Amino acid sequence: DIQMTQSPATLSASVGDRITISCRASQTIGDWLAWYQQKPGTAPRLLISEVSGLESGVPTRFSGRGSGTEFSLAISSLQPDDFATYYCQQLHTYPWTFGPGTKVAV
Amino acid sequence: EELLVESGGGLVQPGGSLKLSCSASGFSFSGSALHWVRQAPGKGLECVGRIRRKGENYATEYGASVKGRFTISRDDSKKTAYLQMNNLILEDTAVYFCAGDFLSGLYMDVWGKGTTVTVSS
Repeated sequence: DIQMTQSPATLSASVGDRITISCRASQTIGDWLAWYQQKPGTAPRLLISEVSGLESGVPTRFSGRGSGTEFSLAISSLQPDDFATYYCQQLHTYPWTFGPGTKVAV
Repeated sequence: EELLVESGGGLVQPGGSLKLSCSASGFSFSGSALHWVRQAPGKGLECVGRIRRKGENYATEYGASVKGRFTISRDDSKKTAYLQMNNLILEDTAVYFCAGDFLSGLYMDVWGKGTTVTVSS
């Protein structure tokens, strides 16, 4: 299976901060990379597909970039609703694997 | 509004079986792939398996940790997918989500709220 890693595991931030989460794949996955947001007790929500494609309804303060094995998710100005755990996922090879998650906390 | 609802979770003893259901409404079920994803308490997300659409012969694929024990099926006439879980072990304890690629045709863009499976003696 393709292994996904994320850093940091936890990110302490404040409202208004710009933050970046990194995601690395154990082998090249091209553009087959998605980002999800999950809040406690709820299902994940797809934020970004194909590295940088913002899903409908996702605020433009979210952005994704990268290719091959190195990817990142940025939030330009953190809002109270953004405190959550973020997961990257590769869709290059099944089973599609997720990173371990990055918790964005106050 | 697209909606997925899982059901069938509960408490089961090690070695037991359980069958989960995922019912859909509001979108084209037959044209979409269905995935099962689980999340153990306090842990991350793990793909359990998927069943493709009719046009892809309803092909199924599974994660290594469940292969040979779990089976995914679907009934398009009922807009329902199933996850048959056999020979359950303690490590199968998790919230089980179903997700579909109803909007994008590839990505898990619609999710259910999940159903909890607890394997314990």
